This record gives sequence, structure tokens and C-alpha cells, in this order.
Amino acid sequence: DTEVTQTPKHLVMGMTNKKSLKCEQHMGHRAMYWYKQKAKKPPELMFVYSYEKLSINESVPSRFSPECPNSSLLNLHLHALQPEDSALYLCASSQGPGSPLHFGNGTRLTVT
Amino acid sequence: GIQVEQSPPDLILQEGANSTLRCNFSDSVNNLQWFHQNPWGQLINLFYIPSGTKQNGRLSATTVATERYSLLYISSSQTTDSGVYFCAVRAGSYQLTFGKGTKLSVIP
Repeated sequence: DTEVTQTPKHLVMGMTNKKSLKCEQHMGHRAMYWYKQKAKKPPELMFVYSYEKLSINESVPSRFSPECPNSSLLNLHLHALQPEDSALYLCASSQGPGSPLHFGNGTRLTVT
Repeated sequence: GIQVEQSPPDLILQEGANSTLRCNFSDSVNNLQWFHQNPWGQLINLFYIPSGTKQNGRLSATTVATERYSLLYISSSQTTDSGVYFCAVRAGSYQLTFGKGTKLSVIP
């Protein structure tokens, strides 16, 4: 699914850094998602935005801060991460509940 | 929450062989998707199939919603089919729950 674009593809950051992951879709979808995937595990839901409002936060630590500036963009701000936060971060979008999710290619994050 | 079980967890096939992957789920669903995650981590939509049967080339899928299972058929497998196949379901909310996946290795 290349209609959801994520940048950067790879990111290496130290534990004191602040960085952001970006996601963009132009399919007119009104729901956007962040998933985290550790090696050899399935993706796990972190956040859902519906109509630009945060509707689901799956008890994610505050060092992860999502932002939805408009219906096409979704950011994930990272601060004071731990090495165990190293993972593949996937963004997805859908028309709404019950509609299929379309995933981006992910950002592979390494925290040193 | 809804439980999703996939079987088998691992599968090794000779190129050209056929296979069936299974997904069982514990509650009624309004969304069921099959994904293929390639070795580079890309999660590719295969089917959106909350019920019924669909076909796309060598792949087909069937979901029997009343019996809470879905099957993914791969025919004439190719080495490019290798990767992890995930079944994911949703039961009314925005949350899509993934099974643990089936790791498929197709050998020449």
C-alpha cells in the first residue's frame, strides 16, 4: 500500500533526542492510526485519530506524543525514548470504522 | 477483547505447491483483512473480507462469519510469496486486532 507515505524510512536516535515521525495520506480517509511492531510480533495499536480528534490511546507512555494537524497528516513526536522502543512504526488510514486499513511502509526506529 | 488465532505458525513449501492458512476469531466481526508482510517489513493488503469469498490471481480467501473463521488459499506458490501472513479483525470499534501470523517460506 503506497498511498500512505511515511517518513523517514529509517531513524536512529539517542535517548535524549527529540524526533518526529510523519505520515501522509491523500485518499480522503477520516481515520488515521499508529501501530508499533516489534521483531517477530504482530503490529500493536498505539493511537487512533478520527476526524482529527484522538479517539483511542492504548495506554501508550507519554514519551510518545501523537498529533493530527489536519485530515491528511499524522505525526508521532518522540522524546526520551528507551532502547526497548526500537521497533517498526506503522501508520495506517481508513475511511472509518469497519472500513479496510491501508498501511504505509513504516519507519524502522533504533534507539541507542 | 476479541481473540484471533492463526494456524499453522510456520509453513515451508516447495515452489509450485498449494497451501491453506486459517484464521479463527472469537466474536462477530465487521472487518477482516488478510495482509502479507514481506521481508522488508511492508504490510500489503491482500483481502478485505468480513464475509464471503474473493479471488485475486493465485490467492483467494473465504470467510464464514457465522462460524468465525477465515481461510487464505495460495496456489502455485512462488518464492516471492515468502513472508508473514497476518489475519486482522475488528468488532465494531476502530481497533484492528492482529493474529500472531503464519510465517511462510517457499523454497525453490
